[in-house]
Amino acid sequence: ETGVTQSPTHLIKTRGQQVTLRCSSQSGHNTVSWYQQALGQGPQFIFQYYREEENGRGNFPPRFSGLQFPNYSSELNVNALELDDSALYLCASSSWTGPRRFGNGTRLTVT
Amino acid sequence: QQQVKQSPQSLIVQKGGISIINCAYENTAFDYFPWYQQFPGKGPALLIAIRPDVSEKKEGRFTISFNKSAKQFSLHIMDSQPGDSATYFCAARTQGGSEKLVFGKGTKLTVNP
Repeated sequence: ETGVTQSPTHLIKTRGQQVTLRCSSQSGHNTVSWYQQALGQGPQFIFQYYREEENGRGNFPPRFSGLQFPNYSSELNVNALELDDSALYLCASSSWTGPRRFGNGTRLTVT
Repeated sequence: QQQVKQSPQSLIVQKGGISIINCAYENTAFDYFPWYQQFPGKGPALLIAIRPDVSEKKEGRFTISFNKSAKQFSLHIMDSQPGDSATYFCAARTQGGSEKLVFGKGTKLTVNP
């Protein structure tokens, strides 16, 4: 059983830049969701994709966008990076038959 | 607006003791309440979960107690071990198509040997 893998593990960007984070879902999982976890906080829901369509969004601005591909892998794109975007970004995949599984995240630092 | 309130923020327990973490919620549309365990550098891992039609669920040393009328639920870790030292998050999910989870702020548990 393959797990959820995220890349890169760490990333440093400058304010105003754009970033793309990647997630490979667990085999058989057709739903992917993204969370932002600030230091010392619980994860916050960004959005969810099912069958390549966004079907749920948290309280995040439009500069946070995503994609889900036919193989159920996913990307999170953040434009115009701000210092407050520094966080651990978690991807989670799930299916109707199994529990949600989280990846180990991408640590993004914005300077 | 924090929809799931978790306490305490940190907890220190001796090996063999009982660790208790509490959560409270307001939204009665929540229909699924998982607990996650997170080690440094890792993503959250599902520990145990409960639905509101059940008052208690036990899996090994981990027990969830659920009080629907009080809108509270708690995690009990029996015979706590140093390997249980991690951050624990309660969460809640709204019924419907979205898999959105609302997390508490977390409890850092330290189990001393």
